[in-house]
Amino acid sequence: GENVEQHPSTLSVQEGDSAVIKCTYSDSASNYFPWYKQELGKGPQLIIDIRSNVGEKKDQRIAVTLNKTAKHFSLHITETQPEDSAVYFCALSGGGADGLTFGKGTHLIIQP
Amino acid sequence: DAGVTQSPTHLIKTRGQHVTLRCSPISGHKSVSWYQQVLGQGPQFIFQYYEKEERGRGNFPDRFSARQFPNYSSELNVNALLLGDSALYLCASSSQALGALNTEAFFGQGTRLTVV
Repeated sequence: GENVEQHPSTLSVQEGDSAVIKCTYSDSASNYFPWYKQELGKGPQLIIDIRSNVGEKKDQRIAVTLNKTAKHFSLHITETQPEDSAVYFCALSGGGADGLTFGKGTHLIIQP
Repeated sequence: DAGVTQSPTHLIKTRGQHVTLRCSPISGHKSVSWYQQVLGQGPQFIFQYYEKEERGRGNFPDRFSARQFPNYSSELNVNALLLGDSALYLCASSSQALGALNTEAFFGQGTRLTVV
């Protein structure tokens, strides 16, 4: 089955700086790569996604890049703010019926 | 517009008991998926239902079952509860079956199940 490794597990950055979270995968059939933000006591919230026919996608302060050859994709958050503090999960699917496979999460801490 | 709604929000059960969790998808969405999230881990796929049929199943024992109703709402049932079943159970709603083009999954707030 599909597998995804997410790093780092914890990331602490100063407010206003950028944060980058990276995920690597093994199955070349994977073709959909969403990122979710989960705050304490809440369900995961979809913040951005990318499909395998695109190399980069941006939405205001958030961007995702995909390198299909190297089998990794990354979340970039610029000008971080206190409300960005949360656990971020990468996920992927291969177009089949096996749902989404999630990474183990990154706890992002924004230092004031 | 209502998002994905799950009930109950919290539940405490005793080992060996049975539990039923409920999910209502976003209006117009026809697919519901269930995930188990153990503390400190990412969600793990349990089931996907689309148009009332099971479309996929994760690596979970037969104690776990689900169904989808004509109004596209869904129930997750777990029999013979074990301590290890304690987790946040998440429901995700999609307009089509996951894997279809341009299909995104939106999650509910989850049901926190504690087995004692």
